[in-house]
Amino acid sequence: EAGVAQSPRYKIIEKRQSVAFWCNPISGHATLYWYQQILGQGPKLLIQFQNNGVVDDSQLPKDRFSAERLKGVDSTLKIQPAKLEDSAVYLCASSLDPRNQPQHFGDGTRLSIL
Amino acid sequence: KNQVEQSPQSLIILEGKNCTLQCNYTVSPFSNLRWYKQDTGRGPVSLTIMTFSENTKSNGRYTATLDADTKQSSLHITASQLSDSASYICVVPRGGSNYKLTFGKGTLLTVNP
Repeated sequence: EAGVAQSPRYKIIEKRQSVAFWCNPISGHATLYWYQQILGQGPKLLIQFQNNGVVDDSQLPKDRFSAERLKGVDSTLKIQPAKLEDSAVYLCASSLDPRNQPQHFGDGTRLSIL
Repeated sequence: KNQVEQSPQSLIILEGKNCTLQCNYTVSPFSNLRWYKQDTGRGPVSLTIMTFSENTKSNGRYTATLDADTKQSSLHITASQLSDSASYICVVPRGGSNYKLTFGKGTLLTVNP
């Protein structure tokens, strides 16, 4: 089966600019996650979708981050305006059943803020 | 507080040697425990999922153990290879309505020739 696809792989922007990331999960996976991973740390959940509904966005900085999952398939994560501390890898993952099935991760988008 | 602590933070071993990575958790209620391998520049890949009733589970040269009483897990790598160089992340979901995952910071393993 095809894995989780993410684009772009790398992005460099200046602070205060906006950026968007795209994720296509594994077909049939109802649960989709966006994570932020800072170098040397484990992934931090930003938002979790079940189909096209938000299950958990408690750690999403809503003043600058937004995410949507149209039609319960693809998802986009947007940052506007970007800050220096947003430099990180943004990982998308999907799961067939979050209770007992593993998450399948994409390779992420590495974001650098200048 | 739901936490996952991993040790050591980093480890360097010679190719062919064995090693053991540790994971302690305080996540409650417990559902299962997961180990992931993350190669540099790649997303994490699942190695194993262990439920409450499983004490030991193997995946090739990787063997995970779980002691639900002491809330400890270990990942043992046998006859290490250069390709085992990666970060190993312990993840524990909190049972409940959305099974929120708590991630450890990972152990960075370097296997040298």
